[in-house]
Amino acid sequence: NAGVMQNPRHLVRRRGQEARLRCSPMKGHSHVYWYRQLPEEGLKFMVYLQKENIIDESGMPKERFSAEFPKEGPSILRIQQVVRGDSAAYFCASPPGLGYGNEQFFGPGTRLTVL
Amino acid sequence: GNSVTQMEGPVTLSEEAFLTINCTYTATGYPSLFWYVQYPGEGLQLLLKATKADDKGSNKGFEATYRKETTSFHLEKGSVQVSDSAVYFCALSAGANSKLTFGKGITLSVRP
Repeated sequence: NAGVMQNPRHLVRRRGQEARLRCSPMKGHSHVYWYRQLPEEGLKFMVYLQKENIIDESGMPKERFSAEFPKEGPSILRIQQVVRGDSAAYFCASPPGLGYGNEQFFGPGTRLTVL
Repeated sequence: GNSVTQMEGPVTLSEEAFLTINCTYTATGYPSLFWYVQYPGEGLQLLLKATKADDKGSNKGFEATYRKETTSFHLEKGSVQVSDSAVYFCALSAGANSKLTFGKGITLSVRP
């Protein structure tokens, strides 16, 4: 997975709680994409961030979801007041850098289960 | 908008059989095309890619050719192994932000 780190790997929350998912791209890289994989479906783009900036959030649900990528530390995907439909695998991805084209390398994912 | 359509699954094959997984796409502009593989409980790994028409991506015995005239990027392997059992996703990237658009994925199971 080319050094993209995510934690936790598994997260269990009860309805109404908050979920925080973390992603660290490869060292020295400042671009992060978040995707969601619902059961039996492909991945759907959620948001694209560079350090301290949201570049494209066209795939983010309008309510309860937010993302940030501060100057220091990992990118955070935050889901407030979780519902059962939020149960999914959440992946972050990072481009490998100049000269590689526009593929992305993925982290291992966070599997969120909402009880 | 952009979209990727994969053939319906799952697919079950015997070891050493020939594999074809169909993928077609719709995109504005000139996309790059990818195949990703996901093993159980893991993230996605890039299997191969192609960035322009008639390019052939290849890796680990898998191949796919970028066909602009048929907007397709079918994945093939001449002789599958049990270790190839996984979920395969076709994807494209187009536009300034390079976000990926995925197909629904197809589960491949290879029997010994």
